[in-house]
Amino acid sequence: KNEVEQSPQNLTAQEGEFITINCSYSVGISALHWLQQHPGGGIVSLFMLSSGKKKHGRLIATINIQEKHSSLHITASHPRDSAVYICAVRSREGGSEKLVFGKGTKLTVNP
Amino acid sequence: DAGVIQSPRHEVTEMGQEVTLRCKPISGHNSLFWYRQTMMRGLELLIYFNNNVPIDDSGMPEDRFSAKMPNASFSTLKIQPSEPRDSAVYFCASRLFGQGFTEAFFGQGTRLTVV
Repeated sequence: KNEVEQSPQNLTAQEGEFITINCSYSVGISALHWLQQHPGGGIVSLFMLSSGKKKHGRLIATINIQEKHSSLHITASHPRDSAVYICAVRSREGGSEKLVFGKGTKLTVNP
Repeated sequence: DAGVIQSPRHEVTEMGQEVTLRCKPISGHNSLFWYRQTMMRGLELLIYFNNNVPIDDSGMPEDRFSAKMPNASFSTLKIQPSEPRDSAVYFCASRLFGQGFTEAFFGQGTRLTVV
Protein backbone atom coordinates (compact mmCIF):
# COMPACT_ATOMS: atom_id res chain seq x y z
CA LYS A 1 0.00 0.00 0.00
CA ASN A 2 1.33 3.44 -0.91
CA GLU A 3 2.08 5.75 1.98
CA VAL A 4 0.25 8.56 0.20
CA GLU A 5 -3.00 7.89 -1.62
CA GLN A 6 -4.80 10.44 -3.73
CA SER A 7 -8.28 10.38 -5.13
CA PRO A 8 -9.58 10.62 -7.69
CA GLN A 9 -6.86 9.74 -10.18
CA ASN A 10 -8.61 11.64 -12.94
CA LEU A 11 -11.21 14.35 -12.67
CA THR A 12 -13.09 16.18 -15.39
CA ALA A 13 -15.17 19.21 -14.53
CA GLN A 14 -17.07 22.00 -16.22
CA GLU A 15 -15.90 25.53 -15.81
CA GLY A 16 -17.29 27.04 -12.65
CA GLU A 17 -17.63 23.80 -10.72
CA PHE A 18 -16.30 23.32 -7.19
CA ILE A 19 -13.55 20.73 -7.15
CA THR A 20 -12.18 18.59 -4.33
CA ILE A 21 -9.09 16.42 -4.46
CA ASN A 22 -8.34 14.16 -1.53
CA CYS A 23 -5.11 12.89 -0.02
CA SER A 24 -4.72 10.26 2.68
CA TYR A 25 -1.44 9.21 4.22
CA SER A 26 -0.35 6.48 6.58
CA VAL A 27 2.82 7.85 8.18
CA GLY A 28 3.50 10.48 10.81
CA ILE A 29 4.23 13.74 9.10
CA SER A 30 5.69 17.11 9.88
CA ALA A 31 4.18 18.82 6.85
CA LEU A 32 2.05 18.18 3.80
CA HIS A 33 2.50 19.82 0.42
CA TRP A 34 0.15 20.35 -2.47
CA LEU A 35 1.94 20.74 -5.78
CA GLN A 36 0.64 21.64 -9.20
CA GLN A 37 2.26 20.24 -12.30
CA HIS A 38 1.41 22.12 -15.47
CA PRO A 39 0.92 20.37 -18.81
CA GLY A 40 4.36 21.66 -19.77
CA GLY A 41 5.83 19.72 -16.86
CA GLY A 42 6.84 22.46 -14.44
CA ILE A 43 6.02 21.91 -10.76
CA VAL A 44 4.79 24.67 -8.51
CA SER A 45 4.26 24.46 -4.79
CA LEU A 46 0.71 25.56 -3.95
CA PHE A 47 0.57 24.99 -0.22
CA MET A 48 2.57 23.66 2.64
CA LEU A 49 0.59 23.00 5.79
CA SER A 50 0.89 21.15 9.04
CA SER A 51 -2.50 21.94 10.55
CA GLY A 52 -5.80 23.62 9.85
CA LYS A 53 -6.52 25.40 6.62
CA LYS A 54 -4.86 27.71 4.11
CA LYS A 55 -6.41 29.79 1.35
CA HIS A 56 -4.84 31.36 -1.69
CA GLY A 57 -7.19 32.92 -4.17
CA ARG A 58 -9.60 30.24 -5.37
CA LEU A 59 -7.57 27.46 -3.78
CA ILE A 60 -8.16 26.12 -0.30
CA ALA A 61 -6.19 23.37 1.42
CA THR A 62 -7.21 21.67 4.63
CA ILE A 63 -5.59 19.03 6.75
CA ASN A 64 -6.88 16.81 9.53
CA ILE A 65 -3.89 15.42 11.39
CA GLN A 66 -5.93 12.97 13.48
CA GLU A 67 -7.55 11.47 10.40
CA LYS A 68 -4.35 11.71 8.31
CA HIS A 69 -6.25 13.36 5.52
CA SER A 70 -5.97 16.51 3.46
CA SER A 71 -8.15 18.06 0.81
CA LEU A 72 -7.47 20.57 -1.93
CA HIS A 73 -10.47 22.58 -3.07
CA ILE A 74 -10.80 24.78 -6.12
CA THR A 75 -13.72 27.16 -6.23
CA ALA A 76 -15.12 28.50 -9.50
CA SER A 77 -12.84 26.26 -11.53
CA HIS A 78 -11.40 27.51 -14.80
CA PRO A 79 -9.79 25.75 -17.77
CA ARG A 80 -6.42 27.17 -16.74
CA ASP A 81 -6.70 25.08 -13.56
CA SER A 82 -6.22 21.99 -15.73
CA ALA A 83 -3.10 20.32 -14.39
CA VAL A 84 -1.92 17.42 -12.29
CA TYR A 85 -2.21 18.04 -8.56
CA ILE A 86 0.20 16.15 -6.37
CA CYS A 87 0.06 15.61 -2.64
CA ALA A 88 3.35 15.06 -0.84
CA VAL A 89 4.11 14.46 2.81
CA ARG A 90 7.26 15.11 4.74
CA SER A 91 7.90 12.28 7.13
CA ARG A 92 8.34 13.21 10.75
CA GLU A 93 10.80 10.42 11.50
CA GLY A 94 14.40 11.27 12.24
CA GLY A 95 14.16 14.82 10.98
CA SER A 96 13.87 13.45 7.48
CA GLU A 97 13.68 15.83 4.59
CA LYS A 98 12.16 13.20 2.37
CA LEU A 99 8.95 13.97 0.56
CA VAL A 100 6.75 11.00 -0.24
CA PHE A 101 4.49 11.72 -3.17
CA GLY A 102 1.05 10.61 -4.18
CA LYS A 103 0.51 9.54 -7.78
CA GLY A 104 -1.26 12.75 -8.59
CA THR A 105 -4.75 13.74 -9.72
CA LYS A 106 -5.16 14.83 -13.29
CA LEU A 107 -7.73 17.60 -13.47
CA THR A 108 -9.31 18.73 -16.72
CA VAL A 109 -11.64 21.71 -16.62
CA ASN A 110 -13.69 22.14 -19.77
CA PRO A 111 -15.03 25.50 -20.88
CA ASP B 1 15.40 35.52 -8.41
CA ALA B 2 15.15 33.31 -11.48
CA GLY B 3 14.14 30.28 -9.44
CA VAL B 4 15.75 26.87 -9.64
CA ILE B 5 17.49 26.50 -12.98
CA GLN B 6 18.03 23.14 -14.58
CA SER B 7 19.88 22.27 -17.75
CA PRO B 8 19.42 20.91 -20.24
CA ARG B 9 15.62 20.97 -20.55
CA HIS B 10 15.69 17.99 -22.89
CA GLU B 11 18.32 15.35 -23.43
CA VAL B 12 18.28 12.47 -25.87
CA THR B 13 21.15 10.07 -25.66
CA GLU B 14 22.10 6.59 -26.72
CA MET B 15 22.25 3.71 -24.32
CA GLY B 16 25.67 3.44 -22.72
CA GLN B 17 26.48 7.13 -22.93
CA GLU B 18 27.20 9.30 -19.92
CA VAL B 19 24.55 11.89 -19.07
CA THR B 20 25.05 14.88 -16.80
CA LEU B 21 22.14 16.92 -15.52
CA ARG B 22 22.74 20.29 -13.91
CA CYS B 23 20.97 22.34 -11.30
CA LYS B 24 21.41 25.82 -9.91
CA PRO B 25 19.38 26.27 -6.72
CA ILE B 26 17.81 29.51 -5.57
CA SER B 27 20.43 31.78 -4.09
CA GLY B 28 20.51 31.45 -0.31
CA HIS B 29 18.84 28.05 -0.23
CA ASN B 30 20.97 25.45 1.52
CA SER B 31 19.01 22.29 0.83
CA LEU B 32 18.88 20.70 -2.62
CA PHE B 33 16.90 17.71 -3.85
CA TRP B 34 17.01 15.56 -6.95
CA TYR B 35 13.77 13.81 -7.95
CA ARG B 36 12.83 11.51 -10.78
CA GLN B 37 9.36 11.30 -12.28
CA THR B 38 8.09 8.40 -14.35
CA MET B 39 4.61 7.37 -15.40
CA MET B 40 4.91 4.12 -13.49
CA ARG B 41 6.35 5.35 -10.20
CA GLY B 42 5.44 9.02 -10.08
CA LEU B 43 7.84 11.35 -8.29
CA GLU B 44 10.64 9.77 -6.26
CA LEU B 45 13.40 11.36 -4.23
CA LEU B 46 16.83 10.28 -5.44
CA ILE B 47 19.14 12.22 -3.13
CA TYR B 48 19.26 15.41 -1.10
CA PHE B 49 21.98 17.68 0.20
CA ASN B 50 22.07 20.02 3.16
CA ASN B 51 24.83 22.63 3.06
CA ASN B 52 26.41 20.82 0.09
CA VAL B 53 26.66 17.55 2.02
CA PRO B 54 24.73 14.50 0.79
CA ILE B 55 22.36 13.50 3.57
CA ASP B 56 20.31 10.68 2.10
CA ASP B 57 21.05 8.91 -1.16
CA SER B 58 18.94 5.85 -0.48
CA GLY B 59 16.74 6.72 -3.44
CA MET B 60 19.57 6.52 -5.95
CA PRO B 61 18.69 3.51 -8.10
CA GLU B 62 22.14 1.99 -8.45
CA ASP B 63 25.82 2.73 -8.80
CA ARG B 64 25.31 4.11 -12.27
CA PHE B 65 23.84 7.19 -10.64
CA SER B 66 25.96 9.74 -8.81
CA ALA B 67 25.32 13.26 -7.59
CA LYS B 68 27.64 16.02 -6.48
CA MET B 69 27.29 19.45 -5.02
CA PRO B 70 30.69 21.12 -5.21
CA ASN B 71 29.35 24.43 -3.94
CA ALA B 72 26.16 26.07 -2.75
CA SER B 73 25.13 27.21 -6.20
CA PHE B 74 25.59 24.11 -8.33
CA SER B 75 24.78 20.44 -8.37
CA THR B 76 25.05 17.66 -10.93
CA LEU B 77 23.36 14.31 -11.36
CA LYS B 78 25.32 11.92 -13.51
CA ILE B 79 24.24 8.64 -15.05
CA GLN B 80 27.00 6.43 -16.43
CA PRO B 81 26.30 4.32 -18.37
CA SER B 82 22.76 5.34 -19.22
CA GLU B 83 20.04 2.78 -19.96
CA PRO B 84 16.61 3.11 -21.61
CA ARG B 85 14.90 2.55 -18.24
CA ASP B 86 16.51 5.77 -17.02
CA SER B 87 14.22 7.70 -19.33
CA ALA B 88 12.25 10.05 -17.10
CA VAL B 89 11.90 13.67 -16.09
CA TYR B 90 14.46 14.66 -13.49
CA PHE B 91 13.59 17.54 -11.19
CA CYS B 92 15.81 19.55 -8.93
CA ALA B 93 14.35 21.49 -6.00
CA SER B 94 15.78 23.71 -3.31
CA ARG B 95 14.65 25.14 0.00
CA LEU B 96 15.97 26.91 3.04
CA PHE B 97 16.77 24.32 5.65
CA GLY B 98 16.86 25.05 9.36
CA GLN B 99 14.25 27.78 9.38
CA GLY B 100 11.26 25.74 10.39
CA PHE B 101 8.80 24.80 7.72
CA THR B 102 9.75 26.21 4.35
CA GLU B 103 8.52 25.28 0.94
CA ALA B 104 10.60 23.65 -1.74
CA PHE B 105 10.86 25.30 -5.12
CA PHE B 106 11.18 23.11 -8.18
CA GLY B 107 13.09 23.58 -11.39
CA GLN B 108 11.45 23.04 -14.75
CA GLY B 109 12.89 19.56 -15.02
CA THR B 110 15.09 17.78 -17.53
CA ARG B 111 13.34 15.31 -19.79
CA LEU B 112 15.81 12.49 -20.45
CA THR B 113 15.28 9.98 -23.21
CA VAL B 114 17.71 7.12 -23.53
CA VAL B 115 17.37 5.22 -26.79
